[in-house]
Amino acid sequence: QKEVEQDPGPLSVPEGAIVSLNCTYSNSAFQYFMWYRQYSRKGPELLMYTYSSGNKEDGRFTAQVDKSSKYISLFIRDSQPSDSATYLCAMKRRAAGNKLTFGGGTRVLVKP
Amino acid sequence: SAVISQKPSRDICQRGTSLTIQCQVDSQVTMMFWYRQQPGQSLTLIATANQGSEATYESGFVIDKFPISRPNLTFSTLTVSNMSPEDSSIYLCSVRWDGQETQYFGPGTRLLVL
Repeated sequence: QKEVEQDPGPLSVPEGAIVSLNCTYSNSAFQYFMWYRQYSRKGPELLMYTYSSGNKEDGRFTAQVDKSSKYISLFIRDSQPSDSATYLCAMKRRAAGNKLTFGGGTRVLVKP
Repeated sequence: SAVISQKPSRDICQRGTSLTIQCQVDSQVTMMFWYRQQPGQSLTLIATANQGSEATYESGFVIDKFPISRPNLTFSTLTVSNMSPEDSSIYLCSVRWDGQETQYFGPGTRLLVL
């Protein structure tokens, strides 16, 4: 079993809809949670970063962490065709030094 | 945020040869890392590039296959040695600044080994 699970998709939504993405993890030691966006043939771009549990909002993006359920989510409001990309969750343990553990990524398609 | 560049952006190589990938950052960074992203898969950390000393490799990756240099705080190289088709992948460098938990990625190098 992988440490971080993420549905590969593709997740297809109409423009303007809310995109809901999530990751589950097995190791309760993860403390730091990130979401990256990766366009085709590009490197991952950091979107959101949260520490421990709770919500964080940045523009159209909201990240949620539920440590009791070992579940994190990313919501994209008013989705645009330019949001079409692969979204990767990543996590880090406090004691793990610098190592990020990534989910497999979810491919999102926003149709005009 | 800093600009992270990688050279080459892509290459096609013959098996048995080696390729050196460069990563350049336009400001000094605390940590530099090298990742591999195989087709259809997520990112796997290869090693941490330590400035002035030997890199720290993750399980499954060895120095003879992936020698790494980091001569200063803005530059690192990853060499993929004695390549086989299984080495076909995207290779990404990332950086982290002191006091931060997040990492920022370069654009990647797409490698195809025939």
